[in-house]
Amino acid sequence: EIVLTQSPATLSLSPGERATLSCRASQTVNNYLAWYQQKPGQAPRLIIYDTSTRATGIPARFSGSGSGTDFTLTISSLEPEDFAVYYCQQRNNWRGTFGGGTKVEIK
Amino acid sequence: VQLVESGGALVKPGGSLRLSCAASGFTFSSSGMHWIRQIPGKGLEWVSAIAPSSSYKYYADSVKGRFTVSRDNARNSLYLQMNRLRDEDTAVYYCAKECCGGNWFDPWGQGTLVTVSS
Repeated sequence: EIVLTQSPATLSLSPGERATLSCRASQTVNNYLAWYQQKPGQAPRLIIYDTSTRATGIPARFSGSGSGTDFTLTISSLEPEDFAVYYCQQRNNWRGTFGGGTKVEIK
Repeated sequence: VQLVESGGALVKPGGSLRLSCAASGFTFSSSGMHWIRQIPGKGLEWVSAIAPSSSYKYYADSVKGRFTVSRDNARNSLYLQMNRLRDEDTAVYYCAKECCGGNWFDPWGQGTLVTVSS
């Protein structure tokens, strides 16, 4: 099973700052990596898939990059609504696994 | 596009429960569907997948042999039959639609809470 490790666990930033979240896979995921945003009391929402493609309605300040085993989600300038928990996810054949999450909190 | 789960409840260890997910706003019969769960305050765990025609069904090792996924395309509904429930099955259960080439989950329902406790 492929294990995804996210870092840092918590990121404390101010609105307007740049956020850089990391996701490392225990083996290559062939660019089959996605990012989800989850706010308290809500279901996760897809924001990036196939490493770098923004999902429908996701603003351009969100971008994804990486390859092989190392991936990054970047939020170029944090808006108040971006403070949330972010999970990376991979699909290896039919099974999907998630990382442990990074909480982006207001500093 | 909307997914609405129901059926969550408090159940004793060893008991059974059936979750439902009502879909609307898209062609349900053409979409792969998944169940994903989240222990309150913790991370996400993929549970099960089912093909549009039910031609394949997949399960996480943690639930294999105890949970059964099914669907009724005429009723636009997805189901998860959970038997021999354990304390560690306590979680919010989400249904989600496959999207974007089939590897990803979007959208998700609002979730239904299953609590396994004596």
